[in-house]
Amino acid sequence: EVQLVQSGAEVKKPGESLRISCKGSGYSFTSYWISWVRQMPGKGLEWMGRIDPSDSYTNYSPSFQGHVTISADKSISTAYLQWSSLKASDTAMYYCARTPGLLSAPLDVWGKGTTVTVSS
Amino acid sequence: QSVLTQPPSASGTPGQRVTISCSGSSSNIGSNTVNWYQQLPGTAPKLLIYSNNQRPSGVPDRFSGSKSGTSASLAISGLQSEDEADYYCAAWDDSLNAVVFGGGTKLTVL
Repeated sequence: EVQLVQSGAEVKKPGESLRISCKGSGYSFTSYWISWVRQMPGKGLEWMGRIDPSDSYTNYSPSFQGHVTISADKSISTAYLQWSSLKASDTAMYYCARTPGLLSAPLDVWGKGTTVTVSS
Repeated sequence: QSVLTQPPSASGTPGQRVTISCSGSSSNIGSNTVNWYQQLPGTAPKLLIYSNNQRPSGVPDRFSGSKSGTSASLAISGLQSEDEADYYCAAWDDSLNAVVFGGGTKLTVL
């Protein structure tokens, strides 16, 4: 079964760093890009960026460029989303999803999401 | 403000047909295919329609998609209570070099 398993919920303070993960299984991890999608409380979906795990090439949305870092370790079929200094406005659900490498390709398998809460 | 424009809400009674629109521009829907996602309450989104009008395996044929110019539509026929969810359109945007989503449409089955 194709799965993306995300790391557990996080509660952090403003200014702290954080890395959340997304582990793929049941398929060739390097054959699909991994995208990250944010959903703030009660709001819609926002695409943050994506990574090609085969060579770690990344592509960020202009709205998120410079605010987060997407990385991957293909040896353990895991992608990451990282913050160096969290803000309260980073409080949201974060989903990873896989996609074939074509630009318009759909996000065909999604993780269950990781809740990130940033509060002092 | 989302790049793709969807109505915030839609509704229908069981058995009815409802449509949800998604309006974009030449840099996104006008030049790339559209995908639709369904998000049931409290769950992760799920791919519903891809490449404008293709259904993934397991998606009932009650769901259909279409695209014309810079707009797309999702139609749900034979509406069922379990269709109550949020629906999002998405497409690649050549100007932003990013995937863009619509703001989402909350479908209520009356």
